[in-house]
Amino acid sequence: KAGVTQTPRYLIKTRGQQVTLSCSPISGHRSVSWYQQTPGQGLQFLFEYFSETQRNKGNFPGRFSGRQFSNSRSEMNVSTLELGDSALYLCASSVQSGANVLTFGAGSRLTVL
Amino acid sequence: GESVGLHLPTLSVQEGDNSIINCAYSNSASDYFIWYKQESGKGPQFIIDIRSNMDKRQGQRVTVLLNKTVKHLSLQIAATQPGDSAVYFCAESSMEYGNKLVFGAGTILRVKS
Repeated sequence: KAGVTQTPRYLIKTRGQQVTLSCSPISGHRSVSWYQQTPGQGLQFLFEYFSETQRNKGNFPGRFSGRQFSNSRSEMNVSTLELGDSALYLCASSVQSGANVLTFGAGSRLTVL
Repeated sequence: GESVGLHLPTLSVQEGDNSIINCAYSNSASDYFIWYKQESGKGPQFIIDIRSNMDKRQGQRVTVLLNKTVKHLSLQIAATQPGDSAVYFCAESSMEYGNKLVFGAGTILRVKS
């Protein structure tokens, strides 16, 4: 059974650009959550999608957005990139929404120059 | 704000010894707790979870203890192996947090051979 797949694994952008990250959950998992991981802030929750609907949202500015498709694949977008957006972006999937085990992907490492 | 755990302390143990990783959580209403292990270059990997109606749960070589009175969670690893070297995160979840996982800062475990 394939795990959570995130693409791209690494990318470099410059300030002001935008970026789109993709996540394919485990087959049968309908919930996808996104986290930002930085050395200073640790793992911070961005948002969760379930059945194409945003179920929960963290305390990030509106530059961070996401969506989920009918096949449960999800994308997140960051517009007008800032240096502080450099981070590892982790996607995690689970069978259902709510308090349960999340299976994480390896992450997308974003560097903003 | 939402916060769980310590600020990346380091625990060094000798191979074969038992390890105990501690975590203090902040929300007395949290009802679900989970431990993850993250190795370099990888996403967090599920270790064990526990719900608030239990105070102990055992897995293979791991035990999680929950003390709700003092809001403390611990992960015990028996016969620690070099492959256990990683960063360990605890996380909590509650309806107050919208049932999303709120992660602690993590603890580095170093196993000496």
